[in-house]
Amino acid sequence: DSGVTQTPKHLITATGQRVTLRCSPRSGDLSVYWYQQSLDQGLQFLIHYYNGEERAKGNILERFSAQQFPDLHSELNLSSLELGDSALYFCASSPSPGTGNTGELFFGEGSRLTVL
Amino acid sequence: AQSVTQLGSHVSVSEGALVLLRCNYSSSVPPYLFWYVQYPNQGLQLLLKYTTGATLVKGINGFEAEFKKSETSFHLTKPSAHMSDAAEYFCAVSNSGGYQKVTFGTGTKLQVIP
Repeated sequence: DSGVTQTPKHLITATGQRVTLRCSPRSGDLSVYWYQQSLDQGLQFLIHYYNGEERAKGNILERFSAQQFPDLHSELNLSSLELGDSALYFCASSPSPGTGNTGELFFGEGSRLTVL
Repeated sequence: AQSVTQLGSHVSVSEGALVLLRCNYSSSVPPYLFWYVQYPNQGLQLLLKYTTGATLVKGINGFEAEFKKSETSFHLTKPSAHMSDAAEYFCAVSNSGGYQKVTFGTGTKLQVIP
């Protein structure tokens, strides 16, 4: 158990719909990362938040957005869903800089999104 | 800028044979290097990491990796493959300061043949 919790584990929805994926990082971790994993694109970095602020953006579509709340949990919002958005979405957290953080990420078990 | 190249998206070995998964990196600063493993329907978990010091790093489940700066490589090895090693393996590089940016390779799926 990594200590990172993601909900829901599975989600089936239709094209055009909107979904929200939730992530609770490990206790004490201020950084949250979101990744998308699909068969054709592999593991793609989406976005990184640190203590509520966006730190880095990767290959995140404009239809997708994320935020990190004061209690440090994060939500990834996916809207106007398309068939190609079907994927595993992972959240990861890491310790804060200056605490011996070497970039090691602790991953949740993922949310599997199926768009029909 | 940093990047990771994993040679071979699929590797097959016989049970009991040597496992060698290749990873080359590019980094403009001294890197931190990682190998993660992903079992089916699970998240990624850390196998081992190199930060500083000893260049031969031992991880869980009998895996080890050697950091070779001159070759910019961090290949993963295991002397004898076990059926339970079948999984996808990801090499990753992180910058060594400040807010870490982690870059993953494309992954290598390891098949172990009985």
